[in-house]
Amino acid sequence: KNEVEQSPQNLTAQEGEFITINCSYSVGISALHWLQQHPGGGIVSLFMLSSGKKKHGRLIATINIQEKHSSLHITASHPRDSAVYICAVRSGAGSYQLTFGKGTKLSVIP
Amino acid sequence: SQTIHQWPATLVQPVGSPLSLECTVEGTSNPNLYWYRQAAGRGLQLLFYSVGIGQISSEVPQNLSASRPQDRQFILSSKKLLLSDSGFYLCAWSSLGAGAFFGQGTRLTVV
Repeated sequence: KNEVEQSPQNLTAQEGEFITINCSYSVGISALHWLQQHPGGGIVSLFMLSSGKKKHGRLIATINIQEKHSSLHITASHPRDSAVYICAVRSGAGSYQLTFGKGTKLSVIP
Repeated sequence: SQTIHQWPATLVQPVGSPLSLECTVEGTSNPNLYWYRQAAGRGLQLLFYSVGIGQISSEVPQNLSASRPQDRQFILSSKKLLLSDSGFYLCAWSSLGAGAFFGQGTRLTVV
């Protein structure tokens, strides 16, 4: 069973700061997802990665398959980025089950 | 396009009442479907998954059940809700080569 660890658990940043959220997993995967959960609970899928790096606006996600580690970066953070960010991994061959991290609660202060 | 619909977004139900949450997907055939729950202060936990019509696997024994009456429909049910059933419920689907897609979730409060 894959263990997914996220850090930090809570993060408070000043508006404009560069933010990094980390995700580590224990078993090889076929894909990793970064999700954003808003205070009301709604989930938005941000990225799906299997290798390398992806960028969307101010968000950048990277993954290192050998080190079993992924990072989500937010440049020029804004209060509207305040949310819980969740890492989820999809196990490899024959299984499409997802294992979720517990999430990182980000608060961006004006 | 590939989408997933989950409703309702929020729900308040009294203890002992029944529950039915529905999830439907579009743009794919024979997906794997999942129900997850997030209790307060905890991560998302897999409740049920389905690899085909009528095929349901349960990961955690509980007061809930799931059904898949059609290929693209996944339903989470309870005959009698408990206070401990409160939480955030998320439907998701995945298939080989298509990635994974997530519903917006349902926040259930049992009172």
